[in-house]
Amino acid sequence: RKEVEQDPGPFNVPEGATVAFNCTYSNSASQSFFWYRQDCRKEPKLLMSVYSSGNEDGRFTAQLNRASQYISLLIRDSKLSDSATYLCVVTFWGGYNKLIFGAGTRLAVHP
Amino acid sequence: DAGITQSPRHKVTETGTPVTLRCHQTENHRYMYWYRQDPGHGLRLIHYSYGVKDTDKGEVSDGYSVSRSKTEDFLLTLESATSSQTSVYFCAISDQGQGSQPQHFGDGTRLSIL
Repeated sequence: RKEVEQDPGPFNVPEGATVAFNCTYSNSASQSFFWYRQDCRKEPKLLMSVYSSGNEDGRFTAQLNRASQYISLLIRDSKLSDSATYLCVVTFWGGYNKLIFGAGTRLAVHP
Repeated sequence: DAGITQSPRHKVTETGTPVTLRCHQTENHRYMYWYRQDPGHGLRLIHYSYGVKDTDKGEVSDGYSVSRSKTEDFLLTLESATSSQTSVYFCAISDQGQGSQPQHFGDGTRLSIL
């Protein structure tokens, strides 16, 4: 079983739609959680951290459920520019800042 | 954007040749990392560094070595390149080693081993 699992998609949605991605992780000792965004043939870029109480950044809302070991990302009012792959990242201290990446969920927003 | 430069950006080489990739940062961050990214896999850590001359293995270190002689430079060497090492390689940096800190990535190096 992979340490971090994501639905690879693609999720094809029209502009203005609301879309949600989930991610599950296996290590209960995981400390921190992030969503990264990766455009085609580009480097991953930090989208947002995920806090236990849930957090929002504009149209993006992240939730964490430690008991069930899953993380979610909700995108409201999708834009064409949101088309990308979204990487779920889980960290824990394994002698170093160990980041475990999911393989990513691809989102395609169409007009 | 974080000041991270990877070189070369693209490289094609033959099986059995040594290859060195360079990561240069201008952020004075202590921690540096090398990852590879392959289809269907998340980024996987090859090696990391927690200071000058301080390096350690990640989860896919076989066939790779690293060196860090200066804070700003972290080199990844494929000692004898194989086709299975064809991949996209990313360098990352972070200010702290604790798990609460995100990492910032360079633009990547696309490496093809023929």
